[in-house]
Amino acid sequence: AQSVTQLGSHVSVSEGALVLLRCNYSSSVPPYLFWYVQYPNQGLQLLLKYTSAATLVKGINGFEAEFKKSETSFHLTKPSAHMSDAAEYFCAVIRQGNQFYFGTGTSLTVIP
Amino acid sequence: NAGVTQTPKFQVLKTGQSMTLQCAQDMNHEYMSWYRQDPGMGLRLIHYSVGAGITDQGEVPNGYNVSRSTTEDFPLRLLSAAPSQTSVYFCASGILPGEAFFGQGTRLTVV
Repeated sequence: AQSVTQLGSHVSVSEGALVLLRCNYSSSVPPYLFWYVQYPNQGLQLLLKYTSAATLVKGINGFEAEFKKSETSFHLTKPSAHMSDAAEYFCAVIRQGNQFYFGTGTSLTVIP
Repeated sequence: NAGVTQTPKFQVLKTGQSMTLQCAQDMNHEYMSWYRQDPGMGLRLIHYSVGAGITDQGEVPNGYNVSRSTTEDFPLRLLSAAPSQTSVYFCASGILPGEAFFGQGTRLTVV
């Protein structure tokens, strides 16, 4: 069954530094992959999605992710962290239909 | 645009009580689902529906019932609440396959 693994439950970066959040997937077929962000006491908001059209996917707020089949990875990056990026980030995969299966999440702290 | 609306936002139940978490969407999405979010475990799928009259179980369905009589509404019922059901519950709607749109969540505490 398709699933995702997020490495690192907590990541801290300095403001202006590179953000790298890791996600590896397990799938026998090319998956649909997503990154969602959750700000405190809010629901989840889509950052970006991979649906096989392009391996480098650009999302909102300056985030992007690269699908690497050889590494079964879909890591999320942002060149320069901003204080407003502090949030919980979830990698997710669709298994059947619109059933989302989420990773355990990575909490991003941005240090001023 | 209302999107996905969940009510209530907060609820405290006593063990054994029943209640229904409401979810409504105005985007005419066929697909709706319920998740629970627990610390360190991400979001786990409880039940989902691919259209009115069709529901199915997700990863953690025990203790929960759902029904889908209209496209817009997808209520989640707890028949006999247990402390293990203390969690934050999210409803989502979407298209097949594609992004899911999430409600703001219901924080449930069972004492």
